[in-house]
Amino acid sequence: DQQVKQNSPSLSVQEGRISILNCDYTNSMFDYFLWYKKYPAEGPTFLISISSIKDKNEDGRFTVFLNKSAKHLSLHIVPSQPGDSAVYFCAASAIRETSGSRLTFGEGTQLTVNP
Amino acid sequence: NAGVMQNPRHLVRRRGQEARLRCSPMKGHSHVYWYRQLPEEGLKFMVYLQKENIIDESGMPKERFSAEFPKEGPSILRIQQVVRGDSAAYFCASSPSDGYTFGSGTRLTVV
Repeated sequence: DQQVKQNSPSLSVQEGRISILNCDYTNSMFDYFLWYKKYPAEGPTFLISISSIKDKNEDGRFTVFLNKSAKHLSLHIVPSQPGDSAVYFCAASAIRETSGSRLTFGEGTQLTVNP
Repeated sequence: NAGVMQNPRHLVRRRGQEARLRCSPMKGHSHVYWYRQLPEEGLKFMVYLQKENIIDESGMPKERFSAEFPKEGPSILRIQQVVRGDSAAYFCASSPSDGYTFGSGTRLTVV
């Protein structure tokens, strides 16, 4: 039962263009969403998050959009840079869960930014 | 991710041996989470611990796996009688923060 899905295993964009990574979820109890970036042989690094009371959160080149009715979120990176090449994971949690802030992760999308 | 320390970085075990993975959380963090990433998959929750307490182990396989977070020392994830299917990257994270802080992981290979 994959509650968080990233349907694109890979994405390739040109340097300077926009990268859009997508994520869908099924559990309506999720109310907090995060994006992580992961390089090979390293742990995931937190990028940006959004609470369900918002529909947009922006931090520099990174913007996350949340569409609760569609149970869909997306991460926009603009302009994309070669150093952004990594695997991006979408994650979700239900604040009301008793088990702290346990996260449910998607399968990840490999982003490649070509110079 | 220097704040959360995991060791060893790489661990090779023969089938049937025991694997012990260690995690030292960031200073001041008393909550530890373990996640497992199988090849070509996302991270899957295993267990959530606070000092001397297991809060949620619903993601742990029922047999051969155990975890502890003693009053002193690191958190330990223990896998007894390892099998090839246990080969994965095991990540520890500590909180509180806006999003976890993950360690660099331990890559377990069972041969």
